[in-house]
Order: sequence, then structure tokens, then C-alpha cells
Amino acid sequence: DQQVKQNSPSLSVQEGRISILNCDYTNSMFDYFLWYKKYPAEGPTFLISISSIKDKNEDGRFTVFLNKSAKHLSLHIVPSQPGDSAVYFCAASLDNYGQNFVFGPGTRLSVLP
Amino acid sequence: DAGVIQSPRHEVTEMGQEVTLRCKPISGHNSLFWYRQTMMRGLELLIYFNNNVPIDDSGMPEDRFSAKMPNASFSTLKIQPSEPRDSAVYFCASSGQGQETQYFGPGTRLLVL
Repeated sequence: DQQVKQNSPSLSVQEGRISILNCDYTNSMFDYFLWYKKYPAEGPTFLISISSIKDKNEDGRFTVFLNKSAKHLSLHIVPSQPGDSAVYFCAASLDNYGQNFVFGPGTRLSVLP
Repeated sequence: DAGVIQSPRHEVTEMGQEVTLRCKPISGHNSLFWYRQTMMRGLELLIYFNNNVPIDDSGMPEDRFSAKMPNASFSTLKIQPSEPRDSAVYFCASSGQGQETQYFGPGTRLLVL
């Protein structure tokens, strides 16, 4: 059974609009969450993270929101740009020591010009 | 910094052959991870090492898979004998002491015919 779920395999958004990618998890012990971005033929690259003691973390156009009671997090990209087109993976961990991440299946984001 | 280096980038082999994937982590990093990405299962952790010692190999699918880390700058993932269902992209990642994220290599795309 998947502990980290991304129920939307794909998402299309118009350039300049907001992209919202969602992630749900089942293990209430998860304490640290990350988003990775992956371009074709490349490895995933770290995008943004959030600790369970926060409910929001912002970095430029990227904001991650965490709702612990709902076991749900989301990544907002505002404004979306064509270069944001990639597969986005949500990951969760029991700690923030950079180890033992559980990844979701990914959501493919297409930003249309 | 060169980042995580993986070789080969692509491997095509026949069922029953031995396959060896190689990884050089980022210099100074003390944790190394092997992942497999498939359409069906997404990105799944196979095994990870701390200071060259295997910590968790519960993700290794079966005895045909083995991984070694003889020193801090090199690791191998071996499949013997290989089967068509092993076809996937295999990623290596590393992280440093106290770092909150992992850095991925470009991956090895394996096709077993």
C-alpha cells in the first residue's frame, strides 16, 4: 500500500496561471516533506521542503502548504512558466536527516504557452 | 562540483545476463541511496548506505539484486541473472551529514530483453 499518494498523474496549466499539485500521505509519523522536480533523462532535483512544525514554506514562485490533520500537502507554483513543465514528486520522511524518503508516484505538469 | 555520477547511462542486455550499475557519490557525502523508477511503482528505494555500511536493504526485490559500497566514493548495484521485469531507470543519490535532502544522479536506463 502506497504511503505517499499523488492522485493526479498529470496536470495542464496555462502559462502565468497557478499550478497546484497535491499529495496525500497515510503515515502520521512522517515529520518532513519534500518536493522534487524531474526533467526527462535527468535525475530528480530538490525543489522545496517543509517540516511538520510549519504549515507553509515559501521560496520564490514555489510555496508548499502542509495540513497535518488531513495528512495533505500541496505545492503551488505562481506564476507558472513553460520551464516548470516536468514531473513533480512528493516525498515524506520520518526525520529531516536526508534519509529514508518515501516518494509518491509523481505528477506530470505541463505549462502551456 | 560534478554531482552524483552514474554509469552506464543506458544498458541493454539479454535475459539471464549479469548487469552492474555504478555510482560515484558527491565527495564528502556519507549516505548513498539506490532507487528504481518504474511506471507501475514510481520511485522506490532499494537500499541505502551510511558510511559505506548497508543500513536498510528491505527494498531490494529479491536475491538476484545485490549492492556494495567498498569505499566512500564508489558503489555498485548488481543484478544476476537479469530478467525483463528489471527494466527500469535506476537512480543513485547521496546526501551529506546534516543535510536535509538527497542529490540524485542522472540515472541508468536498463532494458532487459
